[in-house]
Amino acid sequence: IQLTQSPSLLSASVGDRVTITCRASQGPGNYLAWYQQKPGSAPKLLIYATSILQSGVPSRFRGSGSGTEFTLTISSLQPADFATYFCQQLKTYPGSFGQGTKLDIK
Amino acid sequence: EVQLVESGGGLVQPGRSLRLSCTASGFNFNDYAMYWVRQSPGQGLEWVSGISSNSGSAGYADTVRGRFTISRDNAKSSMYLEMNNLKTEDTALYYCVKDAVGAIGAFDLWGQGTMVTVSS
Repeated sequence: IQLTQSPSLLSASVGDRVTITCRASQGPGNYLAWYQQKPGSAPKLLIYATSILQSGVPSRFRGSGSGTEFTLTISSLQPADFATYFCQQLKTYPGSFGQGTKLDIK
Repeated sequence: EVQLVESGGGLVQPGRSLRLSCTASGFNFNDYAMYWVRQSPGQGLEWVSGISSNSGSAGYADTVRGRFTISRDNAKSSMYLEMNNLKTEDTALYYCVKDAVGAIGAFDLWGQGTMVTVSS
């Protein structure tokens, strides 16, 4: 299953609401997750099973979607949110990641 | 402390082999599927391989199938990646990752990574 994220680069300001889209070549079922990665660090799980917030992740992060189209929405950007975001699926082997969306400060 | 520690990376010539190791601590290793994910410098993430909790099933990315072999030793809380016939495009930071609690197929714990550089 191939995952395509859009946009690849997103410029926004603190307080903005942003949405990142992940489109799959085939439906990944409920096995769709989102990660945040900051430079020099390993990725961090934000959301799994399309919409379930990982423990400790702020509620301004929301995942949704079905079929082959999924979204990650950040409701009110905070300075700590400027990072790169990846979607990921593992319905069956092999797994796959989207190419990433870099969110930077406008 | 709950953690994953990778080792075994380094500089290797094309066509040679390398074995990566991942040692887990702070959780019941036997209960979780485990995976390898890699990231080339400045690039995105690539799922490489995965193995079930009891080693009953394993999977590979098309780019490594036939060259890489994943294995685990639950008695040692360790996972391995045997990499043969290495290519320059295998150059990457290799992460050991763990299946998320209650969420098969999502990764809730990552190691710090071990760097593999394939170059002549």
